[in-house]
Amino acid sequence: GIQVEQSPPDLILQEGANSTLRCNFSDSVNNLQWFHQNPWGQLINLFYIPSGTKQNGRLSATTVATERYSLLYISSSQTTDSGVYFCAVEHRPQASGGSYIPTFGRGTSLIVHP
Amino acid sequence: SAVISQKPSRDICQRGTSLTIQCQVDSQVTMMFWYRQQPGQSLTLIATANQGSEATYESGFVIDKFPISRPNLTFSTLTVSNMSPEDSSIYLCSGRRDSSYNEQFFGPGTRLTVL
Repeated sequence: GIQVEQSPPDLILQEGANSTLRCNFSDSVNNLQWFHQNPWGQLINLFYIPSGTKQNGRLSATTVATERYSLLYISSSQTTDSGVYFCAVEHRPQASGGSYIPTFGRGTSLIVHP
Repeated sequence: SAVISQKPSRDICQRGTSLTIQCQVDSQVTMMFWYRQQPGQSLTLIATANQGSEATYESGFVIDKFPISRPNLTFSTLTVSNMSPEDSSIYLCSGRRDSSYNEQFFGPGTRLTVL
């Protein structure tokens, strides 16, 4: 199946710093999403971004599908940004008859100190 | 995005028993999924819940251990059968509205501890 690698695995920031999280994938994808899992376990969809660039407040994401990677930018980080960031991709295998199979990376654990 | 609720939010169960987790979406969704997340780990897809037919299980997961129901487009259940301590995990329900609107959203999870 498709492989998803996220880097770095762990990141510690001081409040106000900027950061870039990376997601590499091993095959063409039909869909790519970024999620934030807060310390209480709730997963929030940040971006649906199979290609191109999107921005939402202090967060932005870019996916370069031809080069099989996506980047999540966090600017002016806040303590509430702490948690785990997951990249999830979907690859439609030819044998599946059209079924999407979502695959999650291992995540980047972010801690933002005040 | 839709809102998903799960019940129970957490439970502590004895070895050998079964637990059924309920997932309710506040609007109709085409696709529903069940995931497992062990402590400090990523999400592993258990199965896709199909309305009116048997769920589609991923490798390593079988219907006898994780029976799934999906009677309509807003509700699904996952049962963890004959539990062992290795089943201790967070179980997450997820949905997607339809094939042309591919944002995926999650419930708050059910934290299961098996003694």
